[in-house]
Amino acid sequence: NAGVMQNPRHLVRRRGQEARLRCSPMKGHSHVYWYRQLPEEGLKFMVYLQKENIIDESGMPKERFSAEFPKEGPSILRIQQVVRGDSAAYFCASSPPVINEQFFGPGTRLTVL
Amino acid sequence: TQLLEQSPQFLSIQEGENLTVYCNSSSVFSSLQWYRQEPGEGPVLLVTVVTGGEVKKLKRLTFQFGDARKDSSLHITAAQPGDTGLYLCAGEGLETSGSRLTFGEGTQLTVNP
Repeated sequence: NAGVMQNPRHLVRRRGQEARLRCSPMKGHSHVYWYRQLPEEGLKFMVYLQKENIIDESGMPKERFSAEFPKEGPSILRIQQVVRGDSAAYFCASSPPVINEQFFGPGTRLTVL
Repeated sequence: TQLLEQSPQFLSIQEGENLTVYCNSSSVFSSLQWYRQEPGEGPVLLVTVVTGGEVKKLKRLTFQFGDARKDSSLHITAAQPGDTGLYLCAGEGLETSGSRLTFGEGTQLTVNP
């Protein structure tokens, strides 16, 4: 399966803990996007990255959230000191360099207790 | 802020019927994508439309991009229970940096056998 991979699929954290979400883009894709889907809401853009660069983070909360896409390895979305309001499905998408067709992973469902 | 409004929000029909889902905005998009999402999974890309007035067909699904690139429609002919799912439209804005997508709230389609 050469699709976008995300892990873990489900993540449970207690308030104040850290959550790390991983995303491996499709082979040949150098652009990665993170979106959040809150219960009963639509998908909202969070951040757009290319290798070692954050291109657009205008959808990211100013505090506690960070993202990276290192030269080697998966993209990481990191949420520090999680709160109950962070409970959501987090989706990663990737696209090839030339055409903006975004292919989504299966998502990570974060539950904060 | 670019917004995409989808209608109807919910649609329940009998197998064999035809249906149309609409995606409207006051903003112009450089491209628009349609996705289908199953519960617990990520959105699956169905089609990308780029040119105003463009029509694309995917078996029983017909996608149209408005002439002004502000709206789009998805028409399904002879719907089948397997078409059941959440249909999402997503636009790539002209003015936003990078290639972030703005999603509509979705149309939940149920096709009854």
